[in-house]
Amino acid sequence: DADVTQTPRNRITKTGKRIMLECSQTKGHDRMYWYRQDPGLGLRLIYYSFDVKDINKGEISDGYSVSRQAQAKFSLSLESAIPNQTALYFCATSEGDTQYFGPGTRLTVL
Amino acid sequence: GQNIDQPTEMTATEGAIVQINCTYQTSGFNGLFWYQQHAGEAPTFLSYNVLDGLEEKGRFSSFLSRSKGYSYLLLKELQMKDSASYLCAVGSDGGATNKLIFGTGTLLAVQP
Repeated sequence: DADVTQTPRNRITKTGKRIMLECSQTKGHDRMYWYRQDPGLGLRLIYYSFDVKDINKGEISDGYSVSRQAQAKFSLSLESAIPNQTALYFCATSEGDTQYFGPGTRLTVL
Repeated sequence: GQNIDQPTEMTATEGAIVQINCTYQTSGFNGLFWYQQHAGEAPTFLSYNVLDGLEEKGRFSSFLSRSKGYSYLLLKELQMKDSASYLCAVGSDGGATNKLIFGTGTLLAVQP
């Protein structure tokens, strides 16, 4: 079984809809992250969390919100999706120096 | 500001050696990471350098010069499966925050 899982893997939605992307991990790590990846722009940090009570904005948090429901779960929400949020979204966890990435969610906003 | 530069694309031949360079300018430094990412898949960790010098792991080696803000990833005995994007990332915060700033990646094509 994968250590970091993301659901859904693919999603197509319309402008203005609320979307939630979920991430679960079995690695027992306290630190979790959400990134988006766009062609030519690389991975950019949206939000990160060091434990259940600690949530921090990354470099591109506008238009997104997160919830850390438990140590193992970290959800990303788009309250009102817009087309330029079309991207590949990755969740990651870390303990020590290395980050471990989930398989990604490909989101398309029409 | 925060800036990480690496070439956009490289091509190499199966069995050869290729060096992928990365230069960085960040407000802090907490280590330099290399990740491999196959198309449509998650990045996977390759190497980590926090001190100057060369770290070797099988066919892959990574070098760091902190004074020059420079790193490279060396891939030896290239195989077709090495065709992927290689991401350079810098841990920019002090302590153990693990915030990473990524470069845009170098797409390596290995040809027969």
